[in-house]
Amino acid sequence: GAVVSQHPSWVICKSGTSVKIECRSLDFQATTMFWYRQFPKKSLMLMATSNEGSKATYEQGVEKDKFLINHASLTLSTLTVTSAHPEDSSFYICSARVALSHRVTEAFFGQGTRLTVV
Amino acid sequence: QKEVEQDPGPLSVPEGAIVSLNCTYSNSAFQYFMWYRQYSRKGPELLMYTYSSGNKEDGRFTAQVDKSSKYISLFIRDSQPSDSATYLCAMSGMDSSYKLIFGSGTRLLVRP
Repeated sequence: GAVVSQHPSWVICKSGTSVKIECRSLDFQATTMFWYRQFPKKSLMLMATSNEGSKATYEQGVEKDKFLINHASLTLSTLTVTSAHPEDSSFYICSARVALSHRVTEAFFGQGTRLTVV
Repeated sequence: QKEVEQDPGPLSVPEGAIVSLNCTYSNSAFQYFMWYRQYSRKGPELLMYTYSSGNKEDGRFTAQVDKSSKYISLFIRDSQPSDSATYLCAMSGMDSSYKLIFGSGTRLLVRP
């Protein structure tokens, strides 16, 4: 299947600093990528939809100025957590959808990034 | 009411048991139904997907969709310790946004 590579897999940062997470589609082009956040023992919460060459679409309640998304190419989307605070500590996962047929798409996920803000 | 409901478990079974995992949903527009497996500290990986109602089998895994009851199931036969993971159901409609709505995940533990 398609491969989505996410980097770094884990990061610890000081409160007030910014952290950038990269999501790459290694063997396919992804015009759309999705960023999720997952709390322990909770489901994936969609944060935003990243569109190549245009602004990201954020879900209700997600601060776009805090979670900056850039999708500069067909294989790379980045999520930057700005001025991070301890409550931003979480598991962040990116995903890209690949068409299996004209009606069905499959979502491939990155390995996830565990962010700890101290 | 959440769009997708899933019992968080944990579900503990002996090796070799048949496992039944379920989700219910409220949005009748959902057409695509998927099951993902997620190991600790890893991203989810797709196990199976089904379009509309019906059954689908792949090895030890069988996915069932009952749209009339808004109920989907994943069965695992001859469960193995390596099946121990969190299983997430996910579904989406036919709109072009391709947004997936996930259940909260069921943690499964298969005891040797």
